Amino acid sequence: EAQVTQNPRYLITVTGKKLTVTCSQNMNHEYMSWYRQDPGLGLRQIYYSMNVEVTDKGDVPEGYKVSRKEKRNFPLILESPSPNQTSLYFCASSPWTPLGTEAFFGQGTRLTVV
Amino acid sequence: GNSVTQMEGPVTLSEEAFLTINCTYTATGYPSLFWYVQYPGEGLQLLLKATKADDKGSNKGFEATYRKETTSFHLEKGSVQVSDSAVYFCALSDLGYSSASKIIFGSGTRLSIRP
Repeated sequence: EAQVTQNPRYLITVTGKKLTVTCSQNMNHEYMSWYRQDPGLGLRQIYYSMNVEVTDKGDVPEGYKVSRKEKRNFPLILESPSPNQTSLYFCASSPWTPLGTEAFFGQGTRLTVV
Repeated sequence: GNSVTQMEGPVTLSEEAFLTINCTYTATGYPSLFWYVQYPGEGLQLLLKATKADDKGSNKGFEATYRKETTSFHLEKGSVQVSDSAVYFCALSDLGYSSASKIIFGSGTRLSIRP
């Protein structure tokens, strides 16, 4: 089954404790992206990647890191989480094509930083 | 750069009412346009799409037409149901055209349907 898998689904952590949210897709998609969703602010893009070893900042990259060492995986790293990073996070993937193919989303990771 | 502007919510309607959620965009080139839906506790899933001007996307009774002259992609449904309660996102994609291309989302519109 084609899917994007995020882990964990829920996470409560303390300020400053490094964490990684994993994202994996099984569709051989080139494009992957991380978003955060906050009430009243919609979906804001954190980072995106067009292919292995190619990443770029989105609209709200501060406090986050990503890596794309393999095509299927795109982990999101919070080196020193702070309470303002409490949010719902989504990973998405899509083929790199101008043909209008849809993006596929993970189920989301609800992160609370206390 | 490209952008998507979406009707603010929340929108509350009675069952069987007519629904319109407005979406306009700015873009260079020929992007594809999408509507995604997010049901409570779930990720986003594609509702419908259109890949060129005058195309009409449709699914589950929802429709949207890609209007290049008005740069719009409004979502409509003739008779909404309680099960349509969700958050709806308009999106634009120009993936594949350049190294700067990406998928851009509107701010989302929360829709609640009263029985």
